[in-house]
Amino acid sequence: EPEVTQTPSHQVTQMGQEVILRCVPISNHLYFYWYRQILGQKVEFLVSFYNNEISEKSEIFDDQFSVERPDGSNFTLKIRSTKLEDSAMYFCASIPDRSSYNEQFFGPGTRLTVL
Amino acid sequence: GEDVEQSLFLSVREGDSSVINCTYTDSSSTYLYWYKQEPGAGLQLLTYIFSNMDMKQDQRLTVLLNKKDKHLSLRIADTQTGDSAIYFCAEKIRDDKIIFGKGTRLHILP
Repeated sequence: EPEVTQTPSHQVTQMGQEVILRCVPISNHLYFYWYRQILGQKVEFLVSFYNNEISEKSEIFDDQFSVERPDGSNFTLKIRSTKLEDSAMYFCASIPDRSSYNEQFFGPGTRLTVL
Repeated sequence: GEDVEQSLFLSVREGDSSVINCTYTDSSSTYLYWYKQEPGAGLQLLTYIFSNMDMKQDQRLTVLLNKKDKHLSLRIADTQTGDSAIYFCAEKIRDDKIIFGKGTRLHILP
């Protein structure tokens, strides 16, 4: 069964460094999402992406964040200058289209630790 | 505002029914979801209910929706050890946005 994959599973970085989190959505999917989950807190929407553009972003998704689909398969989240509070699980999700119930297929997540 | 609340922990004996409750605030939600997260894994959609429905049953799972009180519940009949996970309530409020609760950790007692 096709699935969303994410790499790396765990990333440790120093505060102020740039990180790129990678996702490979399911191949025929057109809409892509990033969410994050700070330990013990809610899963929070960050951004949605369609047709090489951001569709919607939350207030968390400030100028330090960017997303890109550099080729036909990868979908990346870049954090330019990481802060301690960026430590979280980051989940990528995708959907084939805006169907009626709009199930988002989630990847296993990347745990980002900022020291 | 947009908020989804659920209790953080639930312990249930194997074979009993588990009931996980959730409240939400946005009355414009169209779909409500229950996601399951096992250790080290992503979020798996368990079931969903359209906002104009009261109940949905799917094998051992029963979802009840009280739209007036903005209350959603998930009942798992005959709870098994494999049901041990974190269960997230979520609501879809716009095409591109799903709001999640903090998750309820279900612990199965032998």
